[in-house]
Amino acid sequence: GDSVTQMEGPVTLSEEAFLTINCTYTATGYPSLFWYVQYPGEGLQLLLKATKADDKGSNKGFEATYRKETTSFHLEKGSVQVSDSAVYFCALLNAGGTSYGKLTFGQGTILTVHP
Amino acid sequence: ETGVTQSPTHLIKTRGQQVTLRCSSQSGHNTVSWYQQALGQGPQFIFQYYREEENGRGNFPPRFSGLQFPNYSSELNVNALELDDSALYLCASSLELANTEAFFGQGTRLTVV
Repeated sequence: GDSVTQMEGPVTLSEEAFLTINCTYTATGYPSLFWYVQYPGEGLQLLLKATKADDKGSNKGFEATYRKETTSFHLEKGSVQVSDSAVYFCALLNAGGTSYGKLTFGQGTILTVHP
Repeated sequence: ETGVTQSPTHLIKTRGQQVTLRCSSQSGHNTVSWYQQALGQGPQFIFQYYREEENGRGNFPPRFSGLQFPNYSSELNVNALELDDSALYLCASSLELANTEAFFGQGTRLTVV
């Protein structure tokens, strides 16, 4: 079945540092890929998405490129802020068959940014 | 603000009891999915409803059931609660099955004691 693996966390950075959170996936066909962010006590917010190979999703300074050859969708940001502290989830959506419309999530990566 | 609201925000139940969680989707969204997020884990798919019919189910027992109503609201019912059912329950709505953007509510934190 489909699966998503994220880098082990938590990640602790100083403000203005470079961020990378690794995400790899296993899926049949051509899934769409997502990064969601969860702030303390809240639900999930879509951060960015990519629907086909080589697409780059971007939002709020975050970027991720859909790499089919390496089955990866790593999240990057050039300069993190304290307000970026949250839990980040990589996810895939595989249209077709019984998984139609179902999101499969990684385990999440806790990011803490210090001033 | 995603336009998806869940109630209640927090809930404490006793093992063996039954619980109903509610979700109000964005107007016009025909698809609603429910997820269980245990502490420190990613959300796990419970089931999905499309136009008031169950469209798919994850690895959850039949005591987890749902309903979707014509007014874009939905319910998650859990019977015979177990301690392991303690989790954050999230609903997500989307325009259609093929739509790649799902909007999540803030979740209901269920504690089973």
